[in-house]
Amino acid sequence: EIVLTQSPGTLSLSPGERATLSCRASQSVSSSSLAWYQQKPGQAPRLLIYGASSRATGVPDRFSGSGSGTDFTLTISRLESEDFAVYYCQQFGSSAVTFGQGTKLEIK
Amino acid sequence: EVQLLESGGGLVQPGGSLRLSCAASGFSFSSYVMNWVRQAPGKGLEWVSVISSTSGNTYYADSVKGRFTISRDNSKNTLYLQMDSLRTEDTAVYYCAKRGKEPCFDYWGQGTLVTVSS
Repeated sequence: EIVLTQSPGTLSLSPGERATLSCRASQSVSSSSLAWYQQKPGQAPRLLIYGASSRATGVPDRFSGSGSGTDFTLTISRLESEDFAVYYCQQFGSSAVTFGQGTKLEIK
Repeated sequence: EVQLLESGGGLVQPGGSLRLSCAASGFSFSSYVMNWVRQAPGKGLEWVSVISSTSGNTYYADSVKGRFTISRDNSKNTLYLQMDSLRTEDTAVYYCAKRGKEPCFDYWGQGTLVTVSS
């Protein structure tokens, strides 16, 4: 099973700043199989990025994904108040799916 | 508009059983792979199970293998999760999630809470 490790666990930033969230896989992952989600308290997760770098429908262009192999990054170029949430990366294996443990993005 | 509506959660004693349902609408249900994902209180997301569009293939997380059974009724646009031999560590919000055409979960339900406690 591929393990995804997200860092940092918590990121404290101010609105307008740039956020960089990391997701590292225990072995190489196909870029087409890497996705990112946003979850706010009391809500279901929301798809942000699929295929490592493709934005889902309706996702603002301040969100971008990059990376390949074992290292992937979610970048939020200029934080807005509604972006403070928990973010998860996810990968699809041949039969199983795994999630990272999450990065909490909090207001500084 | 795609909608996924889970039901069937509640309080159950350890060793008990529960069946969750997920009613789907707004898309061609029979054409898509469906999943269950859970989230224990204050914890992260854990994938539970997946079923192919025709029910021909099912897979489970090791933590639930042999105790949970995923199924679907395409004539009713409904996904199910039969949970047996429940343990306290199965306490979580259970979400159904639709797999997109690309590897991702593009739509999620609002979740149903399962509490396993004596």
